[in-house]
Amino acid sequence: DGGITQSPKYLFRKEGQNVTLSCEQNLNHDAMYWYRQDPGQGLRLIYYSQIVNDFQKGDIAEGYSVSREKKESFPLTVTSAQKNPTAFYLCASSRTGDQPQHFGDGTRLSIL
Amino acid sequence: GENVEQHPSTLSVQEGDSAVIKCTYSDSASNYFPWYKQELGKRPQLIIDIRSNVGEKKDQRIAVTLNKTAKHFSLHITETQPEDSAVYFCAASISYKLSFGAGTTVTVRA
Repeated sequence: DGGITQSPKYLFRKEGQNVTLSCEQNLNHDAMYWYRQDPGQGLRLIYYSQIVNDFQKGDIAEGYSVSREKKESFPLTVTSAQKNPTAFYLCASSRTGDQPQHFGDGTRLSIL
Repeated sequence: GENVEQHPSTLSVQEGDSAVIKCTYSDSASNYFPWYKQELGKRPQLIIDIRSNVGEKKDQRIAVTLNKTAKHFSLHITETQPEDSAVYFCAASISYKLSFGAGTTVTVRA
């Protein structure tokens, strides 16, 4: 969906480094989500936010952090505590928590 | 949490034939079931969804059925075309959280 922008498209992390993935939406959606996708697997929920200034852990939150200071932005930080960060990261948003989710183009994170 | 199982993991069909993908879920409180199509290296795209108060939904060549008693739902693609080749994911929603199946790689042979 053109309304959800993820950047960068590719990202490389060095040992011990924190990196931040950007997700911006101009759809005026209340809810935003971060998923991780590994090869041959489905999407797994990292964090989600139903409203500004509030977010909850998903199924695999360890080693990740988020913030939701603005309605349109939901950045994800992959910390050095995440020992296996190589994956395809997808951001999604929905009008409210029980409405269809629409995805950005993703960020592919690799280890240097 | 919710556990979603998806079968088969790969599916090869002749162009023009039908394709069926099946999913089961564990939590009877799940109330929303979307299906996504993902082409290689691209974003998942919503192709159809169904809510727990509906048993079947159809959109042109695509249909989804839901059996709440058995806790399973299926995607049916009729008259398959080469552009239907992709990975398809089912998902189930509980408390606004989506849990995804592992995906089915569909290949349509010309």
